Formats: sequence, structure tokens, C-alpha cells
Amino acid sequence: DSGVTQTPKHLITATGQRVTLRCSPRSGDLSVYWYQQSLDQGLQFLIQYYNGEERAKGNILERFSAQQFPDLHSELNLSSLELGDSALYFCASSVVPLAGWPRETQYFGPGTRLLVL
Amino acid sequence: AQKITQTQPGMFVQEKEAVTLDCTYDTSDQSYGLFWYKQPSSGEMIFLIYQGSYDEQNATEGRYSLNFQKARKSANLVISASQLGDSAMYFCAMRDSSSYDKVIFGPGTSLSVIP
Repeated sequence: DSGVTQTPKHLITATGQRVTLRCSPRSGDLSVYWYQQSLDQGLQFLIQYYNGEERAKGNILERFSAQQFPDLHSELNLSSLELGDSALYFCASSVVPLAGWPRETQYFGPGTRLLVL
Repeated sequence: AQKITQTQPGMFVQEKEAVTLDCTYDTSDQSYGLFWYKQPSSGEMIFLIYQGSYDEQNATEGRYSLNFQKARKSANLVISASQLGDSAMYFCAMRDSSSYDKVIFGPGTSLSVIP
């Protein structure tokens, strides 16, 4: 158990819908990262938040958005869902970006498996 | 641009034997970190081992060791005494100053341990 929690574990929805994925980082971790893992694209970095602020952006679609709340949990919002959005979405957390770089390790949650029908 | 290459899509190893999973990387930075993660069929990503570019010794964590060859830009994972529970996808990953706030992952290698 990494200490990172994600809900829900599975999500089935229809095209055009909107869903919210939730992540709670490990205790003490200030950074949260979101990744998408699909069969054809592999593991893709989406976005990172540090202590409530967006810090880095990867291959995140405009239909997707995220935020990190004062209690450090994070939510990833996916809207106007398409079949191709079906994937495993991971949240990862780490302590502080600057301290211990580049040794700082990300710890992954169990993932949310999204199926868009 | 940073890139991670794992040329072995699938590997088989006999139980109790050692296996090496290949990883090569591309970066122009002098300071960077390399990671290996394991993803079993249940889906979770499990951190295995870390190697820093300035570390003088190869990293080891239990049955996992990293064969780090800086000049060749390779960071191969060696699993000794393979167990059935080692069957999983293995991902090599890297962080450098260009990807300071994110980790770049390779495509992964699927390892199957045969009894």
C-alpha cells in the first residue's frame, strides 16, 4: 500500500458525459501528479500540482482539468468524454519537488479504471 | 528531448533464474534520476529502485539491482532469483532538469516467470 488513495476504483460512463476522479496523496506529500495509461499511448503525464498550485502540464486535453484543494487532495475532471478516453488514470504523490531532486520518488495510487461506452 | 527506450516488449524467465530488463535513455543533462516501477496485473504501480546520475555505485534493493552504465546511457534492471510474483510489466523512467517536475516513462517490458 503506497498510501495514495484514489476513488472510484472503476467508472463506467457514456460518451459526452463528465466525471470526476479523486486522489488523496500520502500524508505529508505536497505534490500530486496525474497520469493516463492507455494501451496505445502508454503512461502519459497529464498535470502536476504542488501545494495547491499548478506546476507542470503534460499531454492534458482541454476537456480535462484538475485542481488541488487546501487539504491537498486533488480532483481530475474529464468532460465531453470520448471512447478514446477509456484508460487507467493514476494519481501519484511526492514530498516536495525541490528537496532531494532528482532522487524524489513518486508513489502511485491504485488507479481509476475508466470505461467510456 | 528526453526519451526512454525499452526494446524488449516481452521476456520469459525460469523461476529462480536471474533476468535483465533493458533500458536506455536520452538526455543532455548531467544531473538526472532513473527509476524502475513494477505494474502487476492488478494495475498498481510499485516503485522498485532509483539510480542517480552522480551515484558512484549501482543501486540495489533486495533482489533488484540496477546495472548503470552512464557512458552508454543504459540503466538495466536485474532481478535475481525470479519468483512467480515477479510476473508483471516493468517500466523504466527518468527525471532530468528538462522534465524537472515530471517523470518520463518508457513503454515497458512484460516479464513472465515460468515455474
